[in-house]
Amino acid sequence: AQSVTQLDSQVPVFEEAPVELRCNYSSSVSVYLFWYVQYPNQGLQLLLKYLSGSTLVESINGFEAEFNKSQTSFHLRKPSVHISDTAEYFCALEEGFKTIFGAGTRLFVKA
Amino acid sequence: DAGVIQSPRHEVTEMGQEVTLRCKPISGHNSLFWYRQTMMRGLELLIYFNNNVPIDDSGMPEDRFSAKMPNASFSTLKIQPSEPRDSAVYFCASSPGDSNQPQHFGDGTRLSIL
Repeated sequence: AQSVTQLDSQVPVFEEAPVELRCNYSSSVSVYLFWYVQYPNQGLQLLLKYLSGSTLVESINGFEAEFNKSQTSFHLRKPSVHISDTAEYFCALEEGFKTIFGAGTRLFVKA
Repeated sequence: DAGVIQSPRHEVTEMGQEVTLRCKPISGHNSLFWYRQTMMRGLELLIYFNNNVPIDDSGMPEDRFSAKMPNASFSTLKIQPSEPRDSAVYFCASSPGDSNQPQHFGDGTRLSIL
């Protein structure tokens, strides 16, 4: 069965510090992987996606994620975070018509 | 472009009452999903439709929950009778239905059952 594991439920970090949010997946078929972000009182929004090709994918606001097939990981990174990055981040795996979401990682950026 | 539209944004009602949540997906999207989000259980998929047909309702918690999609531009999630443990944020999402396409979420309905 396919599954997504986010290893950290909460990640506190100071502003301008780097951050990595970890995600591991389990799948026996070709994978399509996503990171979504949820700001307070809003729905989830797509941050970035891996479908095929380059294993390093980037978002417009400085996040990047690297698909690592051998380690079955899709970790999300940002070299310098801002207060406005405070949100919950969900790693997700496509399975046919539906998407399997991880439990989420709450990122707190402190001044 | 209009995104996924959910109504109401907030609902407060007493236990035992019927609750109806509404969703308008993005035009042209063939798949529609209902989720429930709580602190304890995180994001749970309740049901999803493809081309207005329910494909998987295994996430619907009880017979008190029902969902319909009478046409491509409208879906409802109904709880009857409601109970305090149904309190949660309910999200609707839609996608084009093709493999590898992300879902687009509405802003959710925050439901409180007293």
